[in-house]
Amino acid sequence: EAGVAQSPRYKIIEKRQSVAFWCNPISGHATLYWYQQILGQGPKLLIQFQNNGVVDDSQLPKDRFSAERLKGVDSTLKIQPAKLEDSAVYLCASSLGLLGNQPQHFGDGTRLSIL
Amino acid sequence: DQQVKQNSPSLSVQEGRISILNCDYTNSMFDYFLWYKKYPAEGPTFLISISSIKDKNEDGRFTVFLNKSAKHLSLHIVPSQPGDSAVYFCAASPLGGAQKLVFGQGTRLTINP
Repeated sequence: EAGVAQSPRYKIIEKRQSVAFWCNPISGHATLYWYQQILGQGPKLLIQFQNNGVVDDSQLPKDRFSAERLKGVDSTLKIQPAKLEDSAVYLCASSLGLLGNQPQHFGDGTRLSIL
Repeated sequence: DQQVKQNSPSLSVQEGRISILNCDYTNSMFDYFLWYKKYPAEGPTFLISISSIKDKNEDGRFTVFLNKSAKHLSLHIVPSQPGDSAVYFCAASPLGGAQKLVFGQGTRLTINP
């Protein structure tokens, strides 16, 4: 079974530029998550999708971050404009669904550096 | 407000001995708890979980213990192996699930030969 795929693995941009990350979840997983992991901290949930609908985006800085999952499979996360504090690893995860206790499976992340 | 805390940033254990990683939580609405293991430049890998209706769950060398009254859980690894060297994250999900995980800061475990 293929895992969660993310690209790119690394990205370096200057502040105020824009950047986009892509995620392909495990086949058949209805729920998709984006997390931000700042160095020395645990992952923090940014947004959660169930199929192509948003379940929770309460911690997404909506003035600069956006995410979509138009066809209920792949997802993109965008930052525009980027700030220095956005330097982090952006992790995508997926799980079978919202019912019951389902572990989330993570991709290897995109490491973003803001200059 | 740190709802899930791992108070030990690092832990060093000799190969073959027991490793015990600890985690405390403050939100009594949490009812599902997980441990993830993370190697450098890789994403977290699910290790083991426990529901609040249990106080122990075992999977091979890994056992998770939950003490609801103390709001504390621990991960025991016996015997510890060099490949266990990694960062371990504790995570919790609230009642009703919706899979909204809250993570601790992580503990770096080093297994010495």
